[in-house]
Amino acid sequence: ETGVTQTPRHLVMGMTNKKSLKCEQHLGHNAMYWYKQSAKKPLELMFVYSLEERVENNSVPSRFSPECPNSSHLFLHLHTLQPEDSALYLCASSQVIGGYSPLHFGNGTRLTVT
Amino acid sequence: LAKTTQPISMDSYEGQEVNITCSHNNIATNDYITWYQQFPSQGPRFIIQGYKTKVTNEVASLFIPADRKSSTLSLPRVSLSDTAVYYCLVGDGNQGGKLIFGQGTELSVKP
Repeated sequence: ETGVTQTPRHLVMGMTNKKSLKCEQHLGHNAMYWYKQSAKKPLELMFVYSLEERVENNSVPSRFSPECPNSSHLFLHLHTLQPEDSALYLCASSQVIGGYSPLHFGNGTRLTVT
Repeated sequence: LAKTTQPISMDSYEGQEVNITCSHNNIATNDYITWYQQFPSQGPRFIIQGYKTKVTNEVASLFIPADRKSSTLSLPRVSLSDTAVYYCLVGDGNQGGKLIFGQGTELSVKP
């Protein structure tokens, strides 16, 4: 148990579907993150939230839409995805934003776009 | 943002000590150095963090020279279960949380 829970663990969706990924952290942290990890590639930062405010949007296509209703929950809404969006999507949290505040990751959602 | 460079892969045998070095030549004064471990299909897991000199915890040691332009993660007496990808990250609180992962080092431990 990592303290950061992601659901679903696996998701297969067509290019015209709309789905959402959910992340919940039980650590009392104030910052939450979405990362994307494609096969054999390093993690790519997508979005950063601090106290429910988005502080970083790393040039992510608009077909990915994040939502942070409170400091414990983070969603990633998906629509009209492309096959190249197939990847492992990882959620993380940290006490505060900053390199001195270690990231705690969930185990990810394995997304396949057909 | 400080860029990090690590070896792409390393091989070791059970019981050996493994040292993985990360270069971060343009590290800033406020930057901390953090190492993570990742197994396949799992999220990375925090291992150790340091600012200068030496830090040790129950799983690893982190050596940082005085100029802080590199750091070395030391894993004592590795086992097969230490086979994973190891990432070195450098950053502080002034980058909007923009912590960038590099390619990492794929460590393979053999019996």
